[in-house]
Amino acid sequence: SQTIHQWPATLVQPVGSPLSLECTVEGTSNPNLYWYRQAAGRGLQLLFYSVGIGQISSEVPQNLSASRPQDRQFILSSKKLLLSDSGFYLCAWSVRFGNEQFFGPGTRLTVL
Amino acid sequence: QQQVKQSPQSLIVQKGGISIINCAYENTAFDYFPWYQQFPGKGPALLIAIRPDVSEKKEGRFTISFNKSAKQFSLHIMDSQPGDSATYFCAASGSRLTFGEGTQLTVNP
Repeated sequence: SQTIHQWPATLVQPVGSPLSLECTVEGTSNPNLYWYRQAAGRGLQLLFYSVGIGQISSEVPQNLSASRPQDRQFILSSKKLLLSDSGFYLCAWSVRFGNEQFFGPGTRLTVL
Repeated sequence: QQQVKQSPQSLIVQKGGISIINCAYENTAFDYFPWYQQFPGKGPALLIAIRPDVSEKKEGRFTISFNKSAKQFSLHIMDSQPGDSATYFCAASGSRLTFGEGTQLTVNP
């Protein structure tokens, strides 16, 4: 069966510090991968998606970036965090773009 | 249009009551409609889904009703329980999956 992992589970970072969040998927090959951000009590904002290694599409211009160095690994990064980057970051995967997505456990990021 | 409009934003129901969450869409190319359930601090989990060739799908206490002509679909939770308290997201997919804004459901004991 397929499993999706995210780490760390929680993170507290100062403004201006770098960020690296990791997501890995097990039990499937060539998944479509997604990064979402969820503000408290709000909906899901799609940040990036990837249909293959090295292929990244950005949905929202911001100081975040994403990379996919391996088939089942998706990384969310920032060189300098802003207060507004605080939120709950979710990674998800799907078999095909447009199919139902399966979400990871999320990373709670607090920028102070 | 890729939007999916979800209502209400929040809902309070008594234990044993029926919870109803509604979603509407514009894009007639949508052909798959999943619902997700998210508990606090957790990722959303796929709850139930429907395709437009049927008007209703039931899984336990959860039922999706689908009205293709009105471009609306809804989630009904029968005999709502405090453990159902969560945020629910509808979604619609054609070439890509689009989420509604979510409904925060509270079931009081």
